[in-house]
Amino acid sequence: KAGVTQTPRYLIKTRGQQVTLSCSPISGHRSVSWYQQTPGQGLQFLFEYFSETQRNKGNFPGRFSGRQFSNSRSEMNVSTLELGDSALYLCASTQREGGELFFGEGSRLTVL
Amino acid sequence: AQRVTQPEKLLSVFKGAPVELKCNYSYSGSPELFWYVQYSRQRLQLLLRHISRESIKGFTADLNKGETSFHLKKPFAQEEDSAMYYCALRPTGGFKTIFGAGTRLFVKA
Repeated sequence: KAGVTQTPRYLIKTRGQQVTLSCSPISGHRSVSWYQQTPGQGLQFLFEYFSETQRNKGNFPGRFSGRQFSNSRSEMNVSTLELGDSALYLCASTQREGGELFFGEGSRLTVL
Repeated sequence: AQRVTQPEKLLSVFKGAPVELKCNYSYSGSPELFWYVQYSRQRLQLLLRHISRESIKGFTADLNKGETSFHLKKPFAQEEDSAMYYCALRPTGGFKTIFGAGTRLFVKA
């Protein structure tokens, strides 16, 4: 089985721009979670989707949004980028409630 | 509020020495607890979960509800154990897993 795939792997944006990141979960996995990883902060939970519904959201401003499609693929969007948004954004999928999270390699965003 | 605290950012031990990575959590109910590991140039992956009560790569972790801790232990560290370790909590029946800030373990030869 192919693992969780995230695109793009690297991107550079400037302040004020917006960005869209994509995540394809493992086939058969219907739950997708997004995390922001920064040095010293660990993984900060952004949101979790299941069957196209956002079931939980972390403490991030409204500039951060996401969605899930009928094929379980997910996207997250960050608008009006700030320097502090520079981070590695990780996507994880799971097959069932309470199951193991399978992570992608992440999308590294640099905001200049 | 749910919170996971890993007090050590960096832990350095000699090969063959015992190692303990600390994890404390804050949650009012009964959580599920996990340890995830990220080796150099690899994806973050599950190491073990408290429900399974198994030993993976020589590591064990015991849930202490009284002290709200879930420390990861290994009696004899190996160089290949050098990695970033994250403690994580998921509320039972919940939909999100929250992580601590992580501890980088460095095992010296």
